[in-house]
Amino acid sequence: DVKVTQSSRYLVKRTGEKVFLECVQDMDHENMFWYRQDPGLGLRLIYFSYDVKMKEKGDIPEGYSVSREKKERFSLILESASTNQTSMYLCASSTGRLSNYGYTFGSGTRLTVV
Amino acid sequence: SQQGEEDPQALSIQEGENATMNCSYKTSINNLQWYRQNSGRGLVHLILIRSNEREKHSGRLRVTLDTSKKSSSLLITASRAADTASYFCATDASGGSNYKLTFGKGTLLTVNP
Repeated sequence: DVKVTQSSRYLVKRTGEKVFLECVQDMDHENMFWYRQDPGLGLRLIYFSYDVKMKEKGDIPEGYSVSREKKERFSLILESASTNQTSMYLCASSTGRLSNYGYTFGSGTRLTVV
Repeated sequence: SQQGEEDPQALSIQEGENATMNCSYKTSINNLQWYRQNSGRGLVHLILIRSNEREKHSGRLRVTLDTSKKSSSLLITASRAADTASYFCATDASGGSNYKLTFGKGTLLTVNP
């Protein structure tokens, strides 16, 4: 069964901490994505990557960075966590261009920053 | 930036009834996709319809696309309690990035037993 695995389902971090959210896919997909989901705002794209070591900013990249050193792993980094980064974080992957085949999502990480 | 907008925001029906959700979008698209999200979980891809298609079926799901009106609808027939979830449309804008989808805010469907 093909999968996108996010390392934590729930995470509680303190303000100012550096936070790493890990995402691993086993489908040999080229493209990987990080979204955050907030009530009333839907899904918003933070960063995406279409190849190893490549990254592009999404709609809300401020306060975040990403790393893609290997094809299967895409990490989201909160450089200095703030309370307004409390959210559900969703990782997804896809193959090919033009999103012809849809995205496969992980189960999400619910991050609380206190 | 928000591309797709689902309507209604919430829908409550009885088991066995049909559920219809609508999605409107703003710019030309290559394809439009529908996803389901069970509470607190990730999204699951349901169906993809390309800009040159008008209707597509998958099991109890029927999707239509009207590019002249920039709108799509998702029909779930003979609904079941297990269909209770949020449903999102997502668009892959033509002329834009070849890799990313833009999601709407979703319709929360509740199917009462």
